[in-house]
Amino acid sequence: DQQVKQNSPSLSVQEGRISILNCDYTNSMFDYFLWYKKYPAEGPTFLISISSIKDKNEDGRFTVFLNKSAKHLSLHIVPSQPGDSAVYFCAARDIITSYDKVIFGPGTSLSVIP
Amino acid sequence: NAGVTQTPKFRVLKTGQSMTLLCAQDMNHEYMYWYRQDPGMGLRLIHYSVGEGTTAKGEVPDGYNVSRLKKQNFLLGLESAAPSQTSVYFCASSYSGDSYEQYFGPGTRLTVT
Repeated sequence: DQQVKQNSPSLSVQEGRISILNCDYTNSMFDYFLWYKKYPAEGPTFLISISSIKDKNEDGRFTVFLNKSAKHLSLHIVPSQPGDSAVYFCAARDIITSYDKVIFGPGTSLSVIP
Repeated sequence: NAGVTQTPKFRVLKTGQSMTLLCAQDMNHEYMYWYRQDPGMGLRLIHYSVGEGTTAKGEVPDGYNVSRLKKQNFLLGLESAAPSQTSVYFCASSYSGDSYEQYFGPGTRLTVT
């Protein structure tokens, strides 16, 4: 059973609009969440993260929101640009029982249309 | 500074053949990981290493072996390849277990026929 879920396999957004990528998790012990971005034929690269003690973290055009009670986080990209077209992986970590590993979701493919 | 490199980039194997994937990092990272990526499954951890000479099983270790004889290298072996091992394999490294950010290599696309 997947502990990190990204229920939208793909998403299309017009350039300049907001992209919202969603992620749900089942393990209440997760205490740190990350987003990775992956272009075709390349490895994933770290994008942004958030600790479970926060509900928002912002880095330029990228903002991650965490709702612990709903076990839900989302990545907002504003404004979206064609270069943002990539697969986005949500990942989570449980510092207590598996401090050295992260669990990845299946990914959401974002297409930003010029 | 090359970061994380993987060899080879592509490979086609016949069922039952064996091969070794090589991962190298030049960032002096302690932790190294091997993942496989399959459609709809995300990245699943195969094996990992917390330091030179150590290895540990991840989520999907069956059919694979690993070795970390040198700190900068992490080898993934397939003893007897099966079609179910057709996948894209990624190696990653990080400074330590407390470092949340992992640095990934470009991947190896393996097809087993």
